[in-house]
Amino acid sequence: QKEVEQNSGPLSVPEGAIASLNCTYSDRGSQSFFWYRQYSGKSPELIMSIYSNGDKEDGRFTAQLNKASQYVSLLIRDSQPSDSATYLCAVRNAGNNRKLIWGLGTSLAVNP
Amino acid sequence: SAVISQKPSRDICQRGTSLTIQCQVDSQVTMMFWYRQQPGQSLTLIATANQGSEATYESGFVIDKFPISRPNLTFSTLTVSNMSPEDSSIYLCSVEVAGWGEKLFFGSGTQLSVL
Repeated sequence: QKEVEQNSGPLSVPEGAIASLNCTYSDRGSQSFFWYRQYSGKSPELIMSIYSNGDKEDGRFTAQLNKASQYVSLLIRDSQPSDSATYLCAVRNAGNNRKLIWGLGTSLAVNP
Repeated sequence: SAVISQKPSRDICQRGTSLTIQCQVDSQVTMMFWYRQQPGQSLTLIATANQGSEATYESGFVIDKFPISRPNLTFSTLTVSNMSPEDSSIYLCSVEVAGWGEKLFFGSGTQLSVL
């Protein structure tokens, strides 16, 4: 059973701090990694994708991938109350079905 | 990007009835999917909607319960048949759009409650 695991949280950080969200996956053949943000009552929206080991930065967001250790993380710098949401990790393998495997999500609360 | 119109946004249905959810996209779609998200659960893929042919269902989902149509590239319907309270969930249409690689765009979702 291919799995993606996240700490469900809630993760609570003060405004302006760095929020660190982690995700581990079981399928070593995984090739594509995604972070989606889902506000309460809304549908998910993609915020970051990463395909190679190392860091990828986009504004206040940094995705980090370590394929050897099978984890991917998302850092949010200068956290804002508007970042309060559930963050979903999704992983796609290189097999024929290329199916996305989703984590349960981590709830983040940024306190003013 | 893509604008996805999904309707209805919510419905309350009686046990044993059926509900059809529509998904219309304003862009050229490469792949179209239907997901379910139950309270406290992650996204579960129901099926891939294939244009002009039968949908590809994931384990645990069958065509008789969740018939799907996709008559053209930008439109699909999902029917939840013979509903029971266990079908209460959020149903999401999602698409991959030409030129946007593997990025998934989601519709606004259908909140279904079965009494």
